[in-house]
This record gives sequence, C-alpha cells and structure tokens, in this order.
Amino acid sequence: DGGITQSPKYLFRKEGQNVTLSCEQNLNHDAMYWYRQDPGQGLRLIYYSQIVNDFQKGDIAEGYSVSREKKESFPLTVTSAQKNPTAFYLCASSNPGSSYNEQFFGPGTRLTVL
Amino acid sequence: GEDVEQSLFLSVREGDSSVINCTYTDSSSTYLYWYKQEPGAGLQLLTYIFSNMDMKQDQRLTVLLNKKDKHLSLRIADTQTGDSAIYFCAENPGNTPLVFGKGTRLSVIA
Repeated sequence: DGGITQSPKYLFRKEGQNVTLSCEQNLNHDAMYWYRQDPGQGLRLIYYSQIVNDFQKGDIAEGYSVSREKKESFPLTVTSAQKNPTAFYLCASSNPGSSYNEQFFGPGTRLTVL
Repeated sequence: GEDVEQSLFLSVREGDSSVINCTYTDSSSTYLYWYKQEPGAGLQLLTYIFSNMDMKQDQRLTVLLNKKDKHLSLRIADTQTGDSAIYFCAENPGNTPLVFGKGTRLSVIA
C-alpha cells in the first residue's frame, strides 16, 4: 500500500529544544516537500527537495533544517531558533516527470511547544 | 511571483450547491488542482483540470476554468455534511512546488 507516513502524529517539546519530524514515502517519488499550516494562513512552504542530496529553501526556512540522504526520507528539524514552532506540519511528495505533477500529502504532525 | 487567491469561508445548507472560487496568476500553469482537507488530516487531491479544458465533471464535482480571467471554480452539487472541510486551489507554475491558496472553509448546515 503506497503512501506517505509522518510520525509522530502529535509531538510535545519544551521551548529551546530541537525536534525532528519524520517523513517517509514509498511512492518512488523524486520530489519531497515540507509545509507549515497555521489557522487562516493556508500552507507555507518550508523546504523542498527535487533529488537526493539536494534541497532548496521555501518561503519560511528560517529556524528549520532538512536532509535528503535517501530518496524515501526527508526529515525536518525544528531548531530552537524558530520563534514560534507550534503548528501543524505537512509533508508531501511528487513525481515531477509525471503528467499531472500532483502532490501527495502525509497525515501531518501537530507540534506543540510548551 | 505566483499567487492564488480564494475566499476564506463559505456556508451552505445541506442539499444546496456549493461554489468555491479561486483566482491564480501564472498563465503558464499546465494543470490546476482542487484539494480537500478534513480536520486534523493531510490534503487529498479531489480533482484537477488541464489548462486547455473549460470544464471537467466528476460525479458531484464540476470544475470550471476561465483561462482568460485566470479564474477557477469548484461546484459541489447536493452538498452533504461530509463535505464540510477546507478546500485548497493550487496552480502548477512549472518545475517548482505547487502554489496553494489559503483555503476556503466550507461549513454545511443540516
């Protein structure tokens, strides 16, 4: 059963701690994305990667870091430099070579910083 | 840069039709998409339309595209309480991530 998994679904951290959100896909997609969602703000792009070992900053990359060592995995680290990290985080993937280039989304991780 | 605009809220009565509107800026977008997000979940692709089409119908869903005005709409016929969700319009400006609107929250009143 192909898809995107994100873990954990809920995550609580103390202020000042780094935290890593997991995203795995078995769709054999080349491209992967991280979005942040806040109420009324829609989706804001944090980072994306179109190929292994390469990634680009999105609109709100400050305070976040990523790696893309494997095609199927694109973990996101929320660092202590991120001023307001409490949000819903969505991971997505796509196959840019396909006809429709649609993005498939994971179920999301809700991060709460206490 | 690219931008996608949609109204934030829509409220309809059960059984009525819902129409969600969207405007986009990139005339080179090959495909335009509608995604649905239920509470606490990720986004699911509802439907898409190729830029050389004016209309696409899929069961209760009708997508209309006015390429001249860069206007896209999603009509849901016989709206049900299960259709309550946030609906996102998105454009595909080429070899870059999709550009999403802020989403329209559809509330269906029984």
